[in-house]
Amino acid sequence: DAGVIQSPRHEVTEMGQEVTLRCKPISGHDYLFWYRQTMMRGLELLIYFNNNVPIDDSGMPEDRFSAKMPNASFSTLKIQPSEPRDSAVYFCASSLRGRSSGNTIYFGEGSWLTVV
Amino acid sequence: DAKTTQPPSMDCAEGRAANLPCNHSTISGNEYVYWYRQIHSQGPQYIIHGLKNNETNEMASLIITEDRKSSTLILPHATLRDTAVYYCIVRTNDYKLSFGAGTTVTVRA
Repeated sequence: DAGVIQSPRHEVTEMGQEVTLRCKPISGHDYLFWYRQTMMRGLELLIYFNNNVPIDDSGMPEDRFSAKMPNASFSTLKIQPSEPRDSAVYFCASSLRGRSSGNTIYFGEGSWLTVV
Repeated sequence: DAKTTQPPSMDCAEGRAANLPCNHSTISGNEYVYWYRQIHSQGPQYIIHGLKNNETNEMASLIITEDRKSSTLILPHATLRDTAVYYCIVRTNDYKLSFGAGTTVTVRA
């Protein structure tokens, strides 16, 4: 089975440019998560969706960040305008709500963003 | 979410069992213990999870104390490919994971 697919894997952009990161969750999963990882702050949850609806966006750092999930198989995380401090690895993850013990979150390989 | 405490780093000899401790003294009754690992430059990888009982799968075993205030992840025969950062996470029913600093495990030949 295909896992969580993210694109681009690597992006280098100039400060002020718009950046769009894309994610395709595992088919059938109803939860989607966006995380950011930096050396200073580790792995941080930015936002998560359930059935395409944003549930908790308290981790989104500021208004320059926005996330959408127009359908069950696609999500975007957009940064506009980008700043050097946004340089990080951005992970998308998905899971399926289960009725039994817990449910597992599966991560993509990440999008490595460098803003210069 | 209940907070967890893990040692920052540990070494393990290849072929030996690696025992990774985690303290979660403020865990509540409906919170699961999850373990993930992150190999350099890759996304976090699920290892195992449990609520009360000990669990085993093809990757590892999870031993949870009776009072649930601590747990141990056991990698039965560590290999060089097990070198990674291991995260112990206590998770509520709100479906999100909050990662701490984890334990950097280095497996040495």
